[in-house]
Amino acid sequence: EPEVTQTPSHQVTQMGQEVILRCVPISNHLYFYWYRQILGQKVEFLVSFYNNEISEKSEIFDDQFSVERPDGSNFTLKIRSTKLEDSAMYFCASSEALSRATEAFFGQGTRLTVV
Amino acid sequence: EDKVVQSPLSLVVHEGDTVTLNCSYEVTNFRSLLWYKQEKKAPTFLFMLTSSGIEKKSGRLSSILDKKELFSILNITATQTGDSAVYLCAGYSGGGADGLTFGKGTHLIIQP
Repeated sequence: EPEVTQTPSHQVTQMGQEVILRCVPISNHLYFYWYRQILGQKVEFLVSFYNNEISEKSEIFDDQFSVERPDGSNFTLKIRSTKLEDSAMYFCASSEALSRATEAFFGQGTRLTVV
Repeated sequence: EDKVVQSPLSLVVHEGDTVTLNCSYEVTNFRSLLWYKQEKKAPTFLFMLTSSGIEKKSGRLSSILDKKELFSILNITATQTGDSAVYLCAGYSGGGADGLTFGKGTHLIIQP
């Protein structure tokens, strides 16, 4: 069964460092998303990406964040100058088409711990 | 601001019991209500409800939407330990997955 793959599964980083979270969406999917879930909080939308550009982003997704599709398979989330409050589980998701976004497939997540 | 509230936040029951999880929503331009099961890490899709009063079933799980009361329930009958998970409810207002507003989830624990 096709799946969204995220690496690493867990990353610990020092405050102020930059991190890159990687995702391999399902191969025929065209829409990609990043979500964040702070421990004990709800899942929050960060950004959606289509046709090599950001289509929507939330207030959380400020200049500290960026996304990129550096090649045909990877989809990355870069967090510059990490802060303690960036510690969270980050989920990548992908969907075939906008109309099927409600059935997006989620990856297993990357747990980011900023110390 | 769109809001989705789930209750209870946590629930512990014995295997074989029936549980009902609640979700109320206030979502602008509401289109549908989604339920996900989150085990360990990734949420997996369970149901999408668009019409009021029509029950959707999948095995021991069922769900129904009340668009007048802005409410949905997820029922699980004859619970098994494998049902232990966080169950997420999300309101969908259209567009991409950025149109999803998630609740905090109900943490369900099934004891043998």
